[in-house]
Amino acid sequence: SAVISQKPSRDICQRGTSLTIQCQVDSQVTMMFWYRQQPGQSLTLIATANQGSEATYESGFVIDKFPISRPNLTFSTLTVSNMSPEDSSIYLCSTWTRQETQYFGPGTRLLVL
Amino acid sequence: GQQLNQSPQSMFIQEGEDVSMNCTSSSIFNTWLWYKQDPGEGPVLLIALYKAGELTSNGRLTAQFGITRKDSFLNISASIPSDVGIYFCAGLHVDSNYQLIWGAGTKLIIKP
Repeated sequence: SAVISQKPSRDICQRGTSLTIQCQVDSQVTMMFWYRQQPGQSLTLIATANQGSEATYESGFVIDKFPISRPNLTFSTLTVSNMSPEDSSIYLCSTWTRQETQYFGPGTRLLVL
Repeated sequence: GQQLNQSPQSMFIQEGEDVSMNCTSSSIFNTWLWYKQDPGEGPVLLIALYKAGELTSNGRLTAQFGITRKDSFLNISASIPSDVGIYFCAGLHVDSNYQLIWGAGTKLIIKP
């Protein structure tokens, strides 16, 4: 298994500002993923972040709005830029392990006013 | 994006009852994963299935990978209050580049 931590666990932000979410894994992993989960909904993949390459974004998500860093095999950040109330959501990072399973962090609950 | 057909959407049950939920798809999957999510938390992996027909248990939970590779079910026996939460199925296609396809979730509510 993989133990994943995220910071911050929650935040309340003003519209127009940016927030950077950190994700730390307790082991080296190739693949890290960033998801968004809006209230009462399932998970939506934002992007895949592999170390040493640019993040791959899903349809509807762009790098200018959600820049991602992946400086090493245990860490990644997701920035939510120029926030609006529609960005209020839970943001989750996850990893795919060698045991062919996907584990999730505890999530970052974001409220934009 | 694509989603799995997960049912039921919600369940109201009495403590001690058995629970069954399932996910179906029109396409074939190589892996099925079942997660539980509590309010304000990230999804927690319950059971992972990798072979058609595979039946796996984790305590009171049992899940099976359908023989056609297009469906999976999760059963919970003798439900208890801490089983309350949202259960998600997720599947992985053979050519998916490790991107899971998700069900919409089953919300389990236990009547007092």
